[in-house]
Amino acid sequence: DIQMTQSPSSLSASVGDRVTFTCRASQSVSTYLHWYQQKPGKAPKVLIYSASSLQSGVPSRFSGSGSGTDFTLTISSLQPEDFATYYCQQTYSVPLTFGQGTKVEIK
Amino acid sequence: EVQLLESGGGLVQPGGSLRLSCAASTFTFRNYAMSWVRQAPGKGLEWVSSIGGDGGDTKYADSVKGRFTISRDNSKNTLYLEVNSLRADDTAVYYCAKDQFRANGRFDAFDIWGQGTMVTVSS
Repeated sequence: DIQMTQSPSSLSASVGDRVTFTCRASQSVSTYLHWYQQKPGKAPKVLIYSASSLQSGVPSRFSGSGSGTDFTLTISSLQPEDFATYYCQQTYSVPLTFGQGTKVEIK
Repeated sequence: EVQLLESGGGLVQPGGSLRLSCAASTFTFRNYAMSWVRQAPGKGLEWVSSIGGDGGDTKYADSVKGRFTISRDNSKNTLYLEVNSLRADDTAVYYCAKDQFRANGRFDAFDIWGQGTMVTVSS
């Protein structure tokens, strides 16, 4: 099974900050790596698919990069609505696996 | 608007069974693989099972293999998850989700999610 490790597990940031979090796969997933945002009580929402493609309707302050085993999600200027938990997911091989999440909190 | 609507959750005793349903609307259901993902209270996301567009290819997490069965009825635009021999650690919100691009082969991102249905296993 491919293990997905996200870091940090949580972070505190202010509105306007640039924030970056990482996701590392235990073996190569090529670019079958996707990022989701989840707010409390809501279903996840895809932000970035295939490592770096911005999902339609998602603000351009979100960007993703990486391939193989190391990936990053960047929010260029954090907005109030971005405080949430972010998950990476690999769909390169079954079992499909998610990272444990990064919770972004208000500083 | 593309939608998925789950139903069928509830409170069940250990060892019990449920059938979860996910009704899809406004997209060509048979053209996309579908999946179930669950989230235990206060925990992260866990993939449970996936099925190809024609229903012929099914995949399961080891934690549910042999107890859960995924299926679909393309004539009814509905995805199912039969959950049997339920245990306390199956307690979770169960989401259905749509593959972004394709019916078969390697999976893509999950671009549409339902609102979730809660399954609680307790005596």
